[in-house]
Amino acid sequence: GESVGLHLPTLSVQEGDNSIINCAYSNSASDYFIWYKQESGKGPQFIIDIRSNMDKRQGQRVTVLLNKTVKHLSLQIAATQPGDSAVYFCAEIPPQGGKLIFGQGTELSVKP
Amino acid sequence: NAGVTQTPKFRILKIGQSMTLQCTQDMNHNYMYWYRQDPGMGLKLIYYSVGAGITDKGEVPNGYNVSRSTTEDFPLRLELAAPSQTSVYFCASSYLSGGHPNNIQYFGAGTRLSVL
Repeated sequence: GESVGLHLPTLSVQEGDNSIINCAYSNSASDYFIWYKQESGKGPQFIIDIRSNMDKRQGQRVTVLLNKTVKHLSLQIAATQPGDSAVYFCAEIPPQGGKLIFGQGTELSVKP
Repeated sequence: NAGVTQTPKFRILKIGQSMTLQCTQDMNHNYMYWYRQDPGMGLKLIYYSVGAGITDKGEVPNGYNVSRSTTEDFPLRLELAAPSQTSVYFCASSYLSGGHPNNIQYFGAGTRLSVL
């Protein structure tokens, strides 16, 4: 079946460095992708989204890149801060409906 | 602005007991969802609703039931709790569906359920 998965389950970075979290998706027809951040004990929180007709979208300190050729999504966090420590999920919406399909998640740990 | 509110935050059930997880949203969203999240895993869709009176199964509906009598409320019912239902349950809502730019799902804080 179709799935969304992440390459790395854990990522440890130094405070101030840039972080890159990767995601692979299998449904080439998916047209919408979202990154969520989940802090310990909390529900997922929307970070940034991107439609399939774009290859890059920037937010505040975050950038999402979409490579449809290899079905790859990445989230870049600039100047990573301790408050960025969380689990990050990518999710896709296949063309048949609005039901999100979540990947496993990557735990980002920021060292001071 | 409360957003999506879930109660209770924690619950321990014995095998075979039943309970209802409550979810309410004050954003006037038509779409509501229930997910479960097992340790170290992503979220799996249990049930969803596209509006009052309309519900449909997600990826893992067995052992659960839902109802949607109002726009605001979307309770999840466990009839005969089993250890396999030990998980964290999240309710979410969204204004739109599909690949719209504003189709952002807003999540509650979760209900941590243990079935012993």
